[in-house]
Amino acid sequence: DQQVKQNSPSLSVQEGRISILNCDYTNSMFDYFLWYKKYPAEGPTFLISISSIKDKNEDGRFTVFLNKSAKHLSLHIVPSQPGDSAVYFCAATGGSQGNLIFGKGTKLSVKP
Amino acid sequence: ETGVTQSPTHLIKTRGQQVTLRCSSQSGHNTVSWYQQALGQGPQFIFQYYREEENGRGNFPPRFSGLQFPNYSSELNVNALELDDSALYLCASSLGRWNTEAFFGQGTRLTVV
Repeated sequence: DQQVKQNSPSLSVQEGRISILNCDYTNSMFDYFLWYKKYPAEGPTFLISISSIKDKNEDGRFTVFLNKSAKHLSLHIVPSQPGDSAVYFCAATGGSQGNLIFGKGTKLSVKP
Repeated sequence: ETGVTQSPTHLIKTRGQQVTLRCSSQSGHNTVSWYQQALGQGPQFIFQYYREEENGRGNFPPRFSGLQFPNYSSELNVNALELDDSALYLCASSLGRWNTEAFFGQGTRLTVV
């Protein structure tokens, strides 16, 4: 039973346009959400996070939106750059769990 | 400030053997978590150590065991290796028991043949 779902295995976007990566979760105890970026042969790199007391967090070109009622979050990258091409993982934590629960990832390709 | 480092980066073992993977946590971090990432999947939580005590465990059998040392570095041991144990093993360090900002190492790619 997947508690964190990324339903799009891949996404292709033109350079300069917006990339929107989506994530859904089922466990209402989750209260903190993170996005990681992963290049091949490297470990995941922390990108941005959001607490459940907020509905938006912004850091440069990256913005995460959280809709608690829909149990949905999204990562917006504006403008997208070819260097953003990577696998993006959504992760959640909360309740009695200190560990992260990850989605399966979305592979983003940004074309020049 | 040093990041999270893992060793070795790659490893090939035979079914039935035992393996030890190592992780040095980021300076100042007292919590280490281990994750297994199979091909095409997201990382799956194995267990977490906080101040040298196991602080949570995922759905992995007892042949997956670990240690955390006083300097907060950690080991993951896997006994009686199976072919399905082939995966990328990731170590993450954080400050405190809750991984609100966990930093990952580059991983150890384990292949069991």
